[in-house]
Amino acid sequence: DTGVSQDPRHKITKRGQNVTFRCDPISEHNRLYWYRQTLGQGPEFLTYFQNEAQLEKSRLLSDRFSAERPKGSFSTLEIQRTEQGDSAMYLCASSSGTGLSNEQFFGPGTRLTVL
Amino acid sequence: AQKVTQAQTEISVVEKEDVTLDCVYETRDTTYYLFWYKQPPSGELVFLIRRNSFDEQNEISGRYSWNFQKSTSSFNFTITASQVVDSAVYFCALKSDNYGQNFVFGPGTRLSVLP
Repeated sequence: DTGVSQDPRHKITKRGQNVTFRCDPISEHNRLYWYRQTLGQGPEFLTYFQNEAQLEKSRLLSDRFSAERPKGSFSTLEIQRTEQGDSAMYLCASSSGTGLSNEQFFGPGTRLTVL
Repeated sequence: AQKVTQAQTEISVVEKEDVTLDCVYETRDTTYYLFWYKQPPSGELVFLIRRNSFDEQNEISGRYSWNFQKSTSSFNFTITASQVVDSAVYFCALKSDNYGQNFVFGPGTRLSVLP
């Protein structure tokens, strides 16, 4: 399977702990996105990488959130000092090419529960 | 500002009925792109279609068809002869050139196709 993969699929943590999620995009895709999706809502954009450069960050991405894509391949999203409001599905997507609007391919998501 | 509205929260139909999912968008840009995604119970978002603002031709793909009307800022999605496997949450999304890679998703419409 050469789709977008995410690890772990589920994470339960206690408030105040740090968590890190990993995303492996489709191998030839140079663009990578992180989204957050809460129950009954559509995905909300968090951040965007082109290769290893983080080019855009949403206002939703507080100082407790940090994302990296060190070699332009996989990416990690870390949440420090988790809060109950961070409970959500975290989605990763990737896309290819130089076009402005190429369709994104999504991974299965990591469901975070903060107790 | 950019916004996507999907006024129908939930729709139930009986198998073989036709169903239309509404999407209304707001943007000040003249160049923008519209998307539909399907999120089945398994959770992974699946790309269905992309449309750019310069192309108002309607499109048909099998049982799926899309009606793009700039005059009413709508991009509606019709499923003909619905099947149980069409049961999912469907999201409409918008990306405008002047908002970088920030894809804005609507809240989704949950479609239930009953046998």
